Amino acid sequence: QQQVKQSPQSLIVQKGGISIINCAYENTAFDYFPWYQQFPGKGPALLIAIRPDVSEKKEGRFTISFNKSAKQFSLHIMDSQPGDSATYFCAASSFYGGSQGNLIFGKGTKLSVKP
Amino acid sequence: KAGVTQTPRYLIKTRGQQVTLSCSPISGHRSVSWYQQTPGQGLQFLFEYFSETQRNKGNFPGRFSGRQFSNSRSEMNVSTLELGDSALYLCASSITGGIGNEQFFGPGTRLTVL
Repeated sequence: QQQVKQSPQSLIVQKGGISIINCAYENTAFDYFPWYQQFPGKGPALLIAIRPDVSEKKEGRFTISFNKSAKQFSLHIMDSQPGDSATYFCAASSFYGGSQGNLIFGKGTKLSVKP
Repeated sequence: KAGVTQTPRYLIKTRGQQVTLSCSPISGHRSVSWYQQTPGQGLQFLFEYFSETQRNKGNFPGRFSGRQFSNSRSEMNVSTLELGDSALYLCASSITGGIGNEQFFGPGTRLTVL
């Protein structure tokens, strides 16, 4: 019930295309859903995050779509660029008890954007 | 503003030894979380400290421990190292660890156990 399932494991997209990464969760207590981007040799960096009271959030070329009833959320990268090539992690946590310190991560998606 | 720093960046130890990793959070951040990253298990939460107190703990054996100092710097210790402890250990800091607080990750410490 604590798992976050992420797909696909790897993704190849042409420059200018749309990259879509999906995540599903079981724990209905989760109420914070961030996406992280990680480059080799670096720690993960927050891209965008959403709370379950909205169905979509957009920041630049990055959009999170959230479906509370299906317990799914996805990351869309519009106009994908070679510089977006990285590993992307979805995550979830519950603020119950007042802490987001415990993030449950998906297994990651390695995105390659071909020029 | 300086980011999260972790020392050392790389460590090689042998089975049975113990190791201590250090994390300095961003100035003003009082919450520090530790994660283990491996190719097989991905990113897994170890524990979180806030105001020198462990507030959350993941599902790791007691060989993994941590502490936080009054300046919010944190250390984690792994005793009796096993081959399976080889991983990238990441720490992340946030202002309070509460709602809306982004976690900022350091570059990690790469631990290799031989």
